[in-house]
Amino acid sequence: QSALTQPASVSGSPGQSITISCTGTSSDVGGYNYVSWYQHHPGKAPKFIIYEVTNRPSGVSNRFSASKSDNTASLTISGLQAEDEGDYYCSSYTSTSAVVVFGGGTKLTVL
Amino acid sequence: EVQVLESGGGLVQPGGSLRLSCAGSGFTFSNYAMNWVRQAPGKGLEWVSSISGNGGSTYYADSLKGRITISRDNSKSTLYLQMGSLRAEDTAIYYCAKSLGGSYLRSTFDYWGPGTVVTVSS
Repeated sequence: QSALTQPASVSGSPGQSITISCTGTSSDVGGYNYVSWYQHHPGKAPKFIIYEVTNRPSGVSNRFSASKSDNTASLTISGLQAEDEGDYYCSSYTSTSAVVVFGGGTKLTVL
Repeated sequence: EVQVLESGGGLVQPGGSLRLSCAGSGFTFSNYAMNWVRQAPGKGLEWVSSISGNGGSTYYADSLKGRITISRDNSKSTLYLQMGSLRAEDTAIYYCAKSLGGSYLRSTFDYWGPGTVVTVSS
């Protein structure tokens, strides 16, 4: 099972917006509306910030939004803040394993 | 408050075995699928294994199938991962994670532990 494809890194200045893409196939991202996004600060537990493509869990800032088109999902962070710096992973239900496949991760740097 | 907490990591020689545990609290453990995810040094998250709430269904990553066994004891609210024939490439932080729900939502992990470190080296 190949990982979903994410850019290795993105960067932005405080207050700006950035978008992270996540590309899969019709067996995962394109075939199901079960894409999730996680924020991971090294040394800490990953935190889930988006589920079912667009939904934010309670307590997650509305600066985080997400969407999907065909085989590509996207996470947008608006009004960048220093605390947003970290690693971001997408995941999707996949028919290949019948559970989940993760993206390779994207390192966000707030300049 | 929902919490999951891993234990059992450590240094093990190549070819050796290790059993990881994950204690869940703050939720009805038997109602939720549970999962193991790992992160090797400098690498991304990799799904390892999942088990249904009643333990009747188990799922394994192809790269680890045959070397690992996932299980759970709902009376103790504890998840396990038995690992054998360990290799250097199994060195990683191993995370326990709770699934958000059933069916396809078992692929969304809403609570994660801080992880336990497994180092395979002679």
